[in-house]
Amino acid sequence: GAVVSQHPSWVICKSGTSVKIECRSLDFQATTMFWYRQFPKQSLMLMATSNEGSKATYEQGVEKDKFLINHASLTLSTLTVTSAHPEDSSFYICSARGAQSTYTQYFGPGTRLTVL
Amino acid sequence: EDQVTQSPEALRLQEGESSSLNCSYTVSGLRGLFWYRQDPGKGPEFLFTLYSAGEEKEKERLKATLTKKESFLHITAPKPEDSATYLCAVAFTGGGNKLTFGTGTQLKVEL
Repeated sequence: GAVVSQHPSWVICKSGTSVKIECRSLDFQATTMFWYRQFPKQSLMLMATSNEGSKATYEQGVEKDKFLINHASLTLSTLTVTSAHPEDSSFYICSARGAQSTYTQYFGPGTRLTVL
Repeated sequence: EDQVTQSPEALRLQEGESSSLNCSYTVSGLRGLFWYRQDPGKGPEFLFTLYSAGEEKEKERLKATLTKKESFLHITAPKPEDSATYLCAVAFTGGGNKLTFGTGTQLKVEL
């Protein structure tokens, strides 16, 4: 139980293009989803928190217009990196929390983004 | 300041050599302490949630314990497949829905 998927698992794009990453909870309803970024040899950095049907709450220093988050249903959240640049290259990981999981987050497998 | 500190940063063990990883925290109103395992290039895998001091949880060769200031992840007779980065995180009053993560302990178990 508590399986979270992400798609794609990796993506390579040219500078200036936009990339969309999907995060799905497969066997539970995710009332809250989170998006993290992880640099090599570092821990997870929370980018934003989203609740189904509401606007995402972004962490300090994260550009809202660059990282667009949509949580349209209880099983799907998307992160769109707009006008991507090489410095946006990173490992992006989503997590989901169900209504009954009491703070426990279940993570997806991650998406490796490389911007050329 | 709310903090989560993990030690050691890296640990190398021989197969069968038991040890413990530490996670110390300074937060107000602990709501839960979480242990995850992360393999290279993958998302963290949930291991345990602990809610109150004195609580213990076990899974195969892993046992997590919690006090009012720290948590330990005990690894008994580890195998090479236990090699991974182990992350500790906390949820606390005033932190909303967020988890605050430590920087992890990179464990390598050798034959």
